[in-house]
Amino acid sequence: SQQGEEDPQALSIQEGENATMNCSYKTSINNLQWYRQNSGRGLVHLILIRSNEREKHSGRLRVTLDTSKKSSSLLITASRAADTASYFCATVAVGSEKLVFGKGTKLTVNP
Amino acid sequence: GAVVSQHPSWVICKSGTSVKIECRSLDFQATTMFWYRQFPKQSLMLMATSNEGSKATYEQGVEKDKFLINHASLTLSTLTVTSAHPEDSSFYICSARDSIGLAAKSNEQFFGPGTRLTVL
Repeated sequence: SQQGEEDPQALSIQEGENATMNCSYKTSINNLQWYRQNSGRGLVHLILIRSNEREKHSGRLRVTLDTSKKSSSLLITASRAADTASYFCATVAVGSEKLVFGKGTKLTVNP
Repeated sequence: GAVVSQHPSWVICKSGTSVKIECRSLDFQATTMFWYRQFPKQSLMLMATSNEGSKATYEQGVEKDKFLINHASLTLSTLTVTSAHPEDSSFYICSARDSIGLAAKSNEQFFGPGTRLTVL
């Protein structure tokens, strides 16, 4: 299994601070995606970064990808209480159509 | 666009009964749909890949006779949990891949809102 690892497992910050979550994976990938999940709810797709990309931005989100280290990071700037959720990275391996999810980071943004 | 629905959103059943969960792509065609299971405070684990008009492909350790998958049309896949037991209680999430639309090339999957199954 190439299930990735996210760290930290849990992160608690104050509103306005930045939150950084990391993800590592094991095999060569086509792309890496980040998702958000509010408690007991479905997944919200945040951003997709392809294996030939190193950085991508979307609003307050910044994702980096280092394929040599098989790792990615998700930065949420100027966090808000509404950002409180679990964040998962998911990879699509070369030659596969399956998404393999990491274990997730539970982010709590305190008002 | 790219909306996936699931029905029901939650279900409570008695041990030994069967439960059917529907996954629909509302505004796009999906030859491939995926079924995931998520236990509390854990990540999503892929159970099976559902292919329209053919048999589903199950992940290792997932019993195909217990989790019956039918993908009879380009917009509907169903997961039936047969003879459910308390250990089957979980959050079941489906996703669908756009076969021919703008998202087809990226292989992006669109997720349903999930179905919470509680087996008493």
